[in-house]
Amino acid sequence: GNSVTQMEGPVTLSEEAFLTINCTYTATGYPSLFWYVQYPGEGLQLLLKATKADDKGSNKGFEATYRKETTSFHLEKGSVQVSDSAVYFCALSVNAGGTSYGKLTFGQGTILTVHP
Amino acid sequence: KAGVTQTPRYLIKTRGQQVTLSCSPISGHRSVSWYQQTPGQGLQFLFEYFSETQRNKGNFPGRFSGRQFSNSRSEMNVSTLELGDSALYLCASSFRQGVYEETQYFGPGTRLLVL
Repeated sequence: GNSVTQMEGPVTLSEEAFLTINCTYTATGYPSLFWYVQYPGEGLQLLLKATKADDKGSNKGFEATYRKETTSFHLEKGSVQVSDSAVYFCALSVNAGGTSYGKLTFGQGTILTVHP
Repeated sequence: KAGVTQTPRYLIKTRGQQVTLSCSPISGHRSVSWYQQTPGQGLQFLFEYFSETQRNKGNFPGRFSGRQFSNSRSEMNVSTLELGDSALYLCASSFRQGVYEETQYFGPGTRLLVL
Protein backbone atom coordinates (compact mmCIF):
# COMPACT_ATOMS: atom_id res chain seq x y z
CA GLY A 1 0.00 0.00 0.00
CA ASN A 2 0.87 3.67 -0.01
CA SER A 3 2.63 5.31 2.91
CA VAL A 4 4.38 8.53 3.90
CA THR A 5 7.11 8.86 6.49
CA GLN A 6 8.10 12.22 7.94
CA MET A 7 10.98 13.07 10.19
CA GLU A 8 10.05 12.93 13.83
CA GLY A 9 9.53 16.17 15.63
CA PRO A 10 9.16 18.41 17.30
CA VAL A 11 11.55 20.72 15.51
CA THR A 12 12.60 23.86 17.36
CA LEU A 13 14.46 26.64 15.56
CA SER A 14 15.46 30.22 16.09
CA GLU A 15 14.08 32.88 13.78
CA GLU A 16 15.98 33.14 10.47
CA ALA A 17 17.33 29.59 10.75
CA PHE A 18 17.24 27.13 7.85
CA LEU A 19 14.47 24.55 7.89
CA THR A 20 14.39 21.04 6.49
CA ILE A 21 11.61 18.57 7.17
CA ASN A 22 12.25 15.20 5.58
CA CYS A 23 9.52 13.24 3.84
CA THR A 24 9.82 9.91 2.04
CA TYR A 25 7.07 7.88 0.46
CA THR A 26 6.08 4.48 -0.85
CA ALA A 27 3.46 4.36 -3.55
CA THR A 28 2.06 2.16 -6.26
CA GLY A 29 1.86 4.09 -9.48
CA TYR A 30 2.90 7.72 -9.85
CA PRO A 31 1.83 9.84 -6.91
CA SER A 32 1.23 13.53 -6.62
CA LEU A 33 2.93 14.97 -3.54
CA PHE A 34 1.76 17.70 -1.21
CA TRP A 35 2.75 19.65 1.85
CA TYR A 36 -0.06 20.92 4.06
CA VAL A 37 0.26 23.16 7.12
CA GLN A 38 -2.04 23.24 10.12
CA TYR A 39 -2.11 26.17 12.53
CA PRO A 40 -3.56 25.70 16.02
CA GLY A 41 -7.32 25.22 15.99
CA GLU A 42 -7.55 25.27 12.21
CA GLY A 43 -7.90 22.90 9.29
CA LEU A 44 -5.20 22.07 6.76
CA GLN A 45 -3.91 24.63 4.30
CA LEU A 46 -2.19 23.59 1.11
CA LEU A 47 1.37 24.85 1.20
CA LEU A 48 2.74 23.45 -2.05
CA LYS A 49 2.49 20.51 -4.40
CA ALA A 50 4.30 18.65 -7.17
CA THR A 51 2.70 16.26 -9.61
CA LYS A 52 5.63 14.66 -11.42
CA ALA A 53 9.27 13.77 -10.97
CA ASP A 54 11.71 16.71 -10.71
CA ASP A 55 8.89 19.22 -10.25
CA LYS A 56 9.60 21.84 -7.61
CA GLY A 57 6.70 23.21 -5.61
CA SER A 58 7.14 26.56 -3.90
CA ASN A 59 5.09 28.99 -1.86
CA LYS A 60 5.77 31.64 0.81
CA GLY A 61 9.50 30.87 0.77
CA PHE A 62 8.98 27.12 1.21
CA GLU A 63 10.21 24.71 -1.45
CA ALA A 64 10.12 20.97 -2.07
CA THR A 65 11.37 18.93 -5.03
CA TYR A 66 9.79 15.66 -6.16
CA ARG A 67 12.68 13.17 -6.21
CA LYS A 68 11.55 9.91 -7.77
CA GLU A 69 14.96 8.24 -7.47
CA THR A 70 15.01 8.71 -3.70
CA THR A 71 11.20 8.69 -3.26
CA SER A 72 11.45 11.92 -1.30
CA PHE A 73 9.77 15.32 -1.07
CA HIS A 74 11.69 17.24 1.60
CA LEU A 75 10.38 20.63 2.69
CA GLU A 76 12.88 23.50 2.98
CA LYS A 77 12.85 27.16 3.87
CA GLY A 78 15.89 29.39 3.97
CA SER A 79 14.84 31.66 6.84
CA VAL A 80 11.97 30.74 9.13
CA GLN A 81 9.81 33.20 11.01
CA VAL A 82 7.89 32.90 14.27
CA SER A 83 4.70 32.89 12.21
CA ASP A 84 5.82 29.62 10.56
CA SER A 85 5.22 27.77 13.83
CA ALA A 86 2.67 25.09 12.97
CA VAL A 87 2.29 21.40 12.17
CA TYR A 88 3.45 20.34 8.71
CA PHE A 89 2.06 17.30 6.90
CA CYS A 90 3.48 15.56 3.87
CA ALA A 91 0.87 13.72 1.80
CA LEU A 92 0.43 11.82 -1.42
CA SER A 93 -2.37 10.85 -3.73
CA VAL A 94 -2.32 8.27 -6.48
CA ASN A 95 -4.32 8.63 -9.66
CA ALA A 96 -5.34 5.03 -10.09
CA GLY A 97 -9.11 5.01 -9.64
CA GLY A 98 -10.79 2.51 -7.35
CA THR A 99 -9.45 2.66 -3.82
CA SER A 100 -7.42 5.76 -4.59
CA TYR A 101 -10.38 8.02 -5.34
CA GLY A 102 -10.33 11.13 -3.21
CA LYS A 103 -7.80 9.69 -0.79
CA LEU A 104 -4.78 11.50 0.54
CA THR A 105 -2.29 9.44 2.52
CA PHE A 106 -0.60 11.56 5.19
CA GLY A 107 2.59 11.40 7.18
CA GLN A 108 2.35 11.71 10.94
CA GLY A 109 3.03 15.44 10.94
CA THR A 110 5.98 17.46 12.20
CA ILE A 111 5.53 20.15 14.83
CA LEU A 112 7.66 23.20 14.12
CA THR A 113 8.27 25.85 16.77
CA VAL A 114 10.22 28.98 15.88
CA HIS A 115 11.54 31.18 18.69
CA PRO A 116 12.33 34.90 18.29
CA LYS B 1 -14.34 32.16 -3.96
CA ALA B 2 -15.48 31.12 -0.54
CA GLY B 3 -13.56 28.23 0.95
CA VAL B 4 -14.82 24.95 2.31
CA THR B 5 -17.17 25.46 5.22
CA GLN B 6 -18.04 22.98 7.94
CA THR B 7 -20.77 23.12 10.55
CA PRO B 8 -20.88 22.95 13.42
CA ARG B 9 -17.35 23.84 14.47
CA TYR B 10 -17.65 22.23 17.89
CA LEU B 11 -19.88 19.50 19.20
CA ILE B 12 -20.23 17.67 22.50
CA LYS B 13 -22.15 14.41 22.59
CA THR B 14 -22.49 11.47 24.96
CA ARG B 15 -21.79 7.84 24.26
CA GLY B 16 -24.52 6.08 22.31
CA GLN B 17 -25.82 9.22 20.64
CA GLN B 18 -25.52 9.94 16.96
CA VAL B 19 -24.17 13.01 15.22
CA THR B 20 -24.39 14.61 11.78
CA LEU B 21 -21.68 16.89 10.43
CA SER B 22 -22.07 19.09 7.39
CA CYS B 23 -19.65 20.24 4.72
CA SER B 24 -20.15 22.77 1.92
CA PRO B 25 -17.45 22.51 -0.76
CA ILE B 26 -15.91 25.29 -2.78
CA SER B 27 -18.33 26.40 -5.48
CA GLY B 28 -17.91 24.20 -8.56
CA HIS B 29 -16.12 21.42 -6.73
CA ARG B 30 -17.80 18.06 -7.17
CA SER B 31 -15.70 15.79 -4.97
CA VAL B 32 -15.85 15.78 -1.19
CA SER B 33 -13.56 13.70 1.02
CA TRP B 34 -13.77 13.25 4.79
CA TYR B 35 -10.94 12.60 7.23
CA GLN B 36 -10.64 11.90 10.93
CA GLN B 37 -7.74 13.45 12.82
CA THR B 38 -6.70 12.16 16.23
CA PRO B 39 -3.45 12.52 18.18
CA GLY B 40 -2.90 8.78 18.19
CA GLN B 41 -3.84 7.80 14.64
CA GLY B 42 -3.14 11.04 12.79
CA LEU B 43 -5.14 11.80 9.65
CA GLN B 44 -7.20 8.92 8.36
CA PHE B 45 -9.39 8.81 5.26
CA LEU B 46 -13.07 8.08 5.87
CA PHE B 47 -14.74 8.28 2.44
CA GLU B 48 -15.11 10.24 -0.76
CA TYR B 49 -18.20 11.30 -2.66
CA PHE B 50 -18.49 12.47 -6.23
CA SER B 51 -21.76 13.36 -7.94
CA GLU B 52 -23.76 11.93 -5.03
CA THR B 53 -21.96 8.56 -5.22
CA GLN B 54 -19.55 7.15 -2.68
CA ARG B 55 -16.54 6.09 -4.71
CA ASN B 56 -14.12 5.16 -1.98
CA LYS B 57 -14.23 4.24 1.69
CA GLY B 58 -11.55 3.90 4.33
CA ASN B 59 -11.27 1.30 7.07
CA PHE B 60 -13.91 2.53 9.46
CA PRO B 61 -16.86 0.65 10.93
CA GLY B 62 -20.32 0.92 9.43
CA ARG B 63 -21.30 3.39 12.16
CA PHE B 64 -19.61 5.99 9.97
CA SER B 65 -21.66 6.91 6.95
CA GLY B 66 -22.11 9.81 4.62
CA ARG B 67 -23.98 11.21 1.70
CA GLN B 68 -23.72 13.92 -0.90
CA PHE B 69 -26.49 16.08 -2.26
CA SER B 70 -27.06 17.31 -5.79
CA ASN B 71 -25.46 20.67 -4.91
CA SER B 72 -22.31 18.77 -3.81
CA ARG B 73 -22.83 19.53 -0.13
CA SER B 74 -22.03 16.53 2.00
CA GLU B 75 -22.92 15.19 5.40
CA MET B 76 -21.36 12.51 7.49
CA ASN B 77 -23.12 10.65 10.26
CA VAL B 78 -21.72 8.71 13.15
CA SER B 79 -24.17 6.51 15.01
CA THR B 80 -23.81 4.94 18.45
CA LEU B 81 -20.94 7.22 19.42
CA GLU B 82 -17.97 5.83 21.30
CA LEU B 83 -15.37 7.69 23.35
CA GLY B 84 -12.81 6.90 20.67
CA ASP B 85 -14.80 8.86 18.11
CA SER B 86 -13.63 12.10 19.74
CA ALA B 87 -11.62 13.76 17.00
CA LEU B 88 -11.34 16.60 14.54
CA TYR B 89 -13.34 15.73 11.43
CA LEU B 90 -12.06 17.42 8.30
CA CYS B 91 -13.79 17.79 5.00
CA ALA B 92 -11.94 18.54 1.77
CA SER B 93 -13.20 19.38 -1.69
CA SER B 94 -11.69 19.18 -5.13
CA PHE B 95 -12.88 19.87 -8.65
CA ARG B 96 -12.01 16.39 -9.90
CA GLN B 97 -13.18 15.51 -13.35
CA GLY B 98 -13.08 11.82 -14.19
CA VAL B 99 -9.96 10.13 -12.85
CA TYR B 100 -7.70 13.16 -13.15
CA GLU B 101 -6.00 14.13 -9.97
CA GLU B 102 -7.02 17.35 -8.32
CA THR B 103 -5.78 19.17 -5.27
CA GLN B 104 -7.89 18.91 -2.14
CA TYR B 105 -8.81 22.02 -0.16
CA PHE B 106 -9.74 21.61 3.46
CA GLY B 107 -12.31 23.19 5.71
CA PRO B 108 -11.66 24.27 9.30
CA GLY B 109 -13.00 21.03 10.72
CA THR B 110 -15.60 20.00 13.27
CA ARG B 111 -14.21 19.12 16.67
CA LEU B 112 -16.30 16.35 18.23
CA LEU B 113 -16.01 15.47 21.89
CA VAL B 114 -17.76 12.33 23.10
CA LEU B 115 -18.33 12.10 26.86
